[in-house]
Amino acid sequence: AQKVTQAQTEISVVEKEDVTLDCVYETRDTTYYLFWYKQPPSGELVFLIRRNSFDEQNEISGRYSWNFQKSTSSFNFTITASQVVDSAVYFCALNTGNQFYFGTGTSLTVIP
Amino acid sequence: ETGVTQTPRHLVMGMTNKKSLKCEQHLGHNAMYWYKQSAKKPLELMFVYSLEERVENNSVPSRFSPECPNSSHLFLHLHTLQPEDSALYLCASSQDKDGSTNEQFFGPGTRLTVL
Repeated sequence: AQKVTQAQTEISVVEKEDVTLDCVYETRDTTYYLFWYKQPPSGELVFLIRRNSFDEQNEISGRYSWNFQKSTSSFNFTITASQVVDSAVYFCALNTGNQFYFGTGTSLTVIP
Repeated sequence: ETGVTQTPRHLVMGMTNKKSLKCEQHLGHNAMYWYKQSAKKPLELMFVYSLEERVENNSVPSRFSPECPNSSHLFLHLHTLQPEDSALYLCASSQDKDGSTNEQFFGPGTRLTVL
């Protein structure tokens, strides 16, 4: 069965702190894709990153970084030096074939 | 207009009403999706269309009826809904449905309330 678990429902941090959002996935497929999306209060999900199952290289994009570890089936997302504009709900998702599986999301609040 | 647009943004309807949600994408994509987002639950994929043909229907009740007249437009027709159908309905599109090119671009959603 395919599944995405985001155990952290809500996180609050003070501005400029670093924060890591956890994502654990389950799949028996050998080819799959992992995603992170950001959902600000406006509602629309914004694509952040896609990673395929054969590429375990970690990625850094500005203050964002992602740690993909197949050994632990995790795809964690770290925001460095958080800002108030980072406040949103973040979703991790798994794609296998035609199916997308989303986690329940982590609501991040960055306090000024 | 750019990206993915959805209308209406908010909808309140009674259980006996018939209404439709509209989605339009201006990205030249070939695949479109309907999702349901309920509080405290994962996004639920409802329907997938690729090149105007439905490729996935995840056991959605028949009171939800999708329509994809062309690759740029997607509708969700609603009739005799239940209060538990109240949710945010999100439309998305992607270049194709295959994994290598399917980062999805989402619309702002329609907030549906069923009384």
